[in-house]
Amino acid sequence: DAGITQSPRYKITETGRQVTLMCHQTWSHSYMFWYRQDLGHGLRLIYYSAAADITDKGEVPDGYVVSRSKTENFPLTLESATRSQTSVYFCASSESARRQFFGPGTRLTVL
Amino acid sequence: GENVGLHLPTLSVQEGDNSIINCAYSNSASDYFIWYKQESGKGPQFIIDIRSNMDKRQGQRVTVLLNKTVKHLSLQIAATQPGDSAVYFCAENAGGTSYGKLTFGQGTILTVHP
Repeated sequence: DAGITQSPRYKITETGRQVTLMCHQTWSHSYMFWYRQDLGHGLRLIYYSAAADITDKGEVPDGYVVSRSKTENFPLTLESATRSQTSVYFCASSESARRQFFGPGTRLTVL
Repeated sequence: GENVGLHLPTLSVQEGDNSIINCAYSNSASDYFIWYKQESGKGPQFIIDIRSNMDKRQGQRVTVLLNKTVKHLSLQIAATQPGDSAVYFCAENAGGTSYGKLTFGQGTILTVHP
């Protein structure tokens, strides 16, 4: 039972490049979420999705794009990466929206 | 965890002791609370949750207490073990348009000494 997986686990990119972080869950949970975790800010919600083709902004959505064509996948795209987007990104899923289960994270460095 | 830093509250205990981690929340409309454990280099791991119609909930070796009057939440860990060393986060959520949008605290570093 893989649960929730993220790829890549580590990524180094340059300013201005497009980057896509992948998230896949095997639980068939309706809800999926993207968070970023930074020193001094804790975990902050970027986007969430209540179902396939339904997405909504969280606290810090600027500079990010999401899509959800299939229930099990929720990719996060940085259209033009900036240094301020250097962070650890966590994907989560939930059946109830509230009790959320997190993936292992992707550490992204933007040079 | 990723929030390890000089400004995070810390709690240091001996193996076998009971630990109490505290959390103050700000939104009086919050009706759901959840605790996570995060070990270094890993994602947050669900521990226990509680709804506002309860003031106590028990799990395996853990108890969450909720005091809505003073907007305070605590996580009690019985017989703390070295494997409990981690950063612990509380999160809150209100209903309505905020449903599912968890708001996380900054975390508390728990260190358990053998």
